[in-house]
Amino acid sequence: AQSVSQHNHHVILSEAASLELGCNYSYGGTVNLFWYVQYPGQHLQLLLKYFSGDPLVKGIKGFEAEFIKSKFSFNLRKPSVQWSDTAEYFCAVNAQGGKLIFGQGTELSVKP
Amino acid sequence: DAGVTQSPTHLIKTRGQQVTLRCSPKSGHDTVSWYQQALGQGPQFIFQYYEEEERQRGNFPDRFSGHQFPNYSSELNVNALLLGDSALYLCASSGLRTSGRGDEQFFGPGTRLTVL
Repeated sequence: AQSVSQHNHHVILSEAASLELGCNYSYGGTVNLFWYVQYPGQHLQLLLKYFSGDPLVKGIKGFEAEFIKSKFSFNLRKPSVQWSDTAEYFCAVNAQGGKLIFGQGTELSVKP
Repeated sequence: DAGVTQSPTHLIKTRGQQVTLRCSPKSGHDTVSWYQQALGQGPQFIFQYYEEEERQRGNFPDRFSGHQFPNYSSELNVNALLLGDSALYLCASSGLRTSGRGDEQFFGPGTRLTVL
């Protein structure tokens, strides 16, 4: 069965620190990959997506992610976090058209 | 352009009752998916509707059923509620016909269901 694993449940950083959130998935075929963010009190929003092509994708608010097929990974990065990046981040995979399979989420707390 | 809307925002029910949640997709979208998000967990796929038919289903019992209307809006029904059904229920829409990519899903704010 397909699954998505996010390595960190809770990450605490100071402003201006660099961020990397890990995401690994299990599926041998072609996948579409996503990172969603859920700010406090708000609904899930798409940060970035990978369908095909350049494995380094850029999203909103300075976030980027790299798809490494050989490692089944799609890690999220940001060079310098801000207090406003405090949120929960979800990695998701779509492999069979239709359903998204989500990881358990990583809560990011950024200290001002 | 309105995004995905859901109603009601919050709902409190007791065990054994039935509940209906509603969703209106983003303008131009024809596909609706439903997810259950328990506290501290990622969303779990319940089912997806396209052209008024259930297109795909996750590992949820038959107590969970749905419907899609000709205007693409959708309902999620849960019968014989259990305490464990307490969760945030999310609706997501996508444009399978328009984009060919049913994968990019836009989420609504969710309905918080509490079962007592």
